Amino acid sequence: GENVEQHPSTLSVQEGDSAVIKCTYSDSASNYFPWYKQELGKRPQLIIDIRSNVGEKKDQRIAVTLNKTAKHFSLHITETQPEDSAVYFCAAPVSGAGSYQLTFGKGTKLSVIP
Amino acid sequence: EAQVTQNPRYLITVTGKKLTVTCSQNMNHEYMSWYRQDPGLGLRQIYYSMNVEVTDKGDVPEGYKVSRKEKRNFPLILESPSPNQTSLYFCASSFDLGDTQYFGPGTRLTVL
Repeated sequence: GENVEQHPSTLSVQEGDSAVIKCTYSDSASNYFPWYKQELGKRPQLIIDIRSNVGEKKDQRIAVTLNKTAKHFSLHITETQPEDSAVYFCAAPVSGAGSYQLTFGKGTKLSVIP
Repeated sequence: EAQVTQNPRYLITVTGKKLTVTCSQNMNHEYMSWYRQDPGLGLRQIYYSMNVEVTDKGDVPEGYKVSRKEKRNFPLILESPSPNQTSLYFCASSFDLGDTQYFGPGTRLTVL
């Protein structure tokens, strides 16, 4: 099945600095790469996603980049704010050989220090 | 309001006592799944369903059962719970695998 590795597991940044979280995946057939944010005590929610036909996607302070050759994708948060503090998960799907599931990375706990 | 609901939200039970966690969505989604979340292990998929009467194992299916008799409901069944199934459980739904997953509020299960 799909193997998704996420780094770092924890990340502390000063307010206003940038944060970068990276994920690698193993299934070269994967074509959809979402990022979810989970605030303390809440459910995960999608913040941005990218499909394999594009290399970068931006939404205000958040961007995701994809390198299909190297099989990695990254989340970039610029001008971080305290409300960005949360756990972030990447994910990648595996479909084929009878499987049709989504595999998540282990998560990155981001702390933004005011 | 579009949503995914789970019940119960909290449950403390004892080893071996069968339990069911319900999940329901009102968005006409075809894809539904169950995840468990444990510290340091992220979200691990237990079972998923691509449509009514179509279910399949995820990465950690041992000790769990599911059914999908109706499109909107996807209950998770623990026939004989054990302490290692103590965890936070999330149900999620989406139109397809490559679409936004909408998560339920979570069920915190403790098995003594």
